Order: sequence, then structure tokens, then C-alpha cells
Amino acid sequence: AQKITQTQPGMFVQEKEAVTLDCTYDTSDPSYGLFWYKQPSSGEMIFLIYQGSYDQQNATEGRYSLNFQKARKSANLVISASQLGDSAMYFCAMRGIQGGSEKLVFGKGTKLTVNP
Amino acid sequence: DTEVTQTPKHLVMGMTNKKSLKCEQHMGHRAMYWYKQKAKKPPELMFVYSYEKLSINESVPSRFSPECPNSSLLNLHLHALQPEDSALYLCASSGTIHRDTQYFGPGTRLTVL
Repeated sequence: AQKITQTQPGMFVQEKEAVTLDCTYDTSDPSYGLFWYKQPSSGEMIFLIYQGSYDQQNATEGRYSLNFQKARKSANLVISASQLGDSAMYFCAMRGIQGGSEKLVFGKGTKLTVNP
Repeated sequence: DTEVTQTPKHLVMGMTNKKSLKCEQHMGHRAMYWYKQKAKKPPELMFVYSYEKLSINESVPSRFSPECPNSSLLNLHLHALQPEDSALYLCASSGTIHRDTQYFGPGTRLTVL
């Protein structure tokens, strides 16, 4: 079964600094996908970035980059030049097979607070 | 345009009421999902539709009844809910159920009195 672990319940960062949100995963599937979503207090889950298990390069999307270390089974999200609007809950998720069906499995999330 | 819309944004209902949540996407996606999210928890999958057919039902109580009238619309019919059903209900869609990114709507905050 797939499992996502986010060990940081809360993180604080100063505006304009970089921050790394940790995510480790466990799966026996050779092919899988890893996602990061942002959820502000308004509730919407916003897709940020995707990394495929066979992708040779780390994914980047603007200020977001994914530090993918396959041997360590980690997929950490790096946010550069933090902004006040980055304050939100961040979920790491993995697409994999559970109960015979392909599903998105979420970690428990990390609450990021950006201080001015 | 990666947009999923949901109505209403907020809903308050009594335990004897019947109400419906609506979700719409115009991205040509053929997979649609309902998730339930309690405060400070990750979303929990409820139902998955693939090509307008129910593909996954995560043992959800029958007081929740999903419906997919066409490839763009997804409804969740609610009847005789309990206070513990109060939560954020999120709709999502993806190209197919396989290997595609799920895009979420803004959610409906449901309160059951």
C-alpha cells in the first residue's frame, strides 16, 4: 500500500526567504506520480507541481521546485522567495494503486506561515 | 483553463433536509471525484466517476448519493445527514482516472444542524 509522510505539522519562514517542506513516500509500484497541492484557508486545493517516478530531472514551476531523491523516497517541495500569500496548508500526494484501483493518497499536510 | 466550479459555496441543512451539491468542469476531463475533508485533515476520497460510470465507491453511507448526468457535471445528493457529516466537500476532475493530475474546485462548506 502507498503511504505519504509529512513530518512537519507547521513551518515558519520570513518573507523573501526560501523554505523546504518535507515529504517521504512508500510504495512498491515501479511507476508512480508525486504531487504537491496548496490549500489556503478559503479551502480550494491548488495544484502546484508534479514529478513522475521516471522523470530524470527535478520538476520546477516558477517559484516551486521539487527535490526528488528516488533512492531516499523523498519528494520535498522548495518554495523560493516566500510571499505572504504562500501562507497555507501544503499537501504532498502520490498516485498509486490501492484496493485494486488507482487513487491519490495524501499526507497529513504541513501548515506554512510566512512572516513579514 | 484548469477550472472546476462548485455550488453552493456554503450550505446549512437540517438532518431531515434533502439538498444537492453541484460540480462542473469544461476541460474535457472524463474522470470526476468527490472528496470529504474534515478540519485539519487531508481529503478523503468518496466516489470516482470514469466516463460517466461510477468507478469507485469508498463504502460511503447511502445518505450520500452521487450522480453524473453528463461528462461535465457531477452532483452529490444529500439526505438525512448527521452532524458529523459537516465538512468541506471537494470536487475534482482529471483527464482520465489513470496518471492524470486532479484539479480541484473551491469546495462546498456543509454544516448539518
